[in-house]
Amino acid sequence: DAGITQSPRHKVTETGTPVTLRCHQTENHRYMYWYRQDPGHGLRLIHYSYGVKDTDKGEVSDGYSVSRSKTEDFLLTLESATSSQTSVYFCATVVAGGPYEQYFGPGTRLTVT
Amino acid sequence: SQQGEEDPQALSIQEGENATMNCSYKTSINNLQWYRQNSGRGLVHLILIRSNEREKHSGRLRVTLDTSKKSSSLLITASRAADTASYFCATDGVGGAQKLVFGQGTRLTINP
Repeated sequence: DAGITQSPRHKVTETGTPVTLRCHQTENHRYMYWYRQDPGHGLRLIHYSYGVKDTDKGEVSDGYSVSRSKTEDFLLTLESATSSQTSVYFCATVVAGGPYEQYFGPGTRLTVT
Repeated sequence: SQQGEEDPQALSIQEGENATMNCSYKTSINNLQWYRQNSGRGLVHLILIRSNEREKHSGRLRVTLDTSKKSSSLLITASRAADTASYFCATDGVGGAQKLVFGQGTRLTINP
């Protein structure tokens, strides 16, 4: 998994509660990404970061925020979890300079009840 | 809408046969990549083909790219049970080379 860890690996939470997922990488990669994977939709980009404190929105960013205060950590926060956010969340990194092959973490399975 | 679309959605073949998966996309690209995902795991990069390349090989994998048709194919030769997984194509271009858009994937099952 190219030095990428995600925590927690599994979480069950109730609707309306805040949730933070953590992605940690040890390779000093500049780019980091958060995706969600749902049946019938493949992987969809939520947010990505191109450096410390530099982030941008992806295809499905509503209801999510991110922060990157250190190169190695990229946090994904669901401010008020909803059942539609039940999904498997993957973090990925890319080495700057191309050719932009992405390395993925093991995923976090989140269930919102 | 998603950039890459795979076909078929599911494919089941006998061990030793060849498996072919197709990917179509909508806009100009710099690169097209293929990834594999085993059940319950993260995606693993298989191969990248640049827009100026037409064919690329890696072991038992052969990827072709036809930019005029905006399509790519992944061929796995002499399939093995361990090849059972989902396969995704991913394209860049619209949002820059650092941002990929993934297709919905092809679920490949290799029967012993």
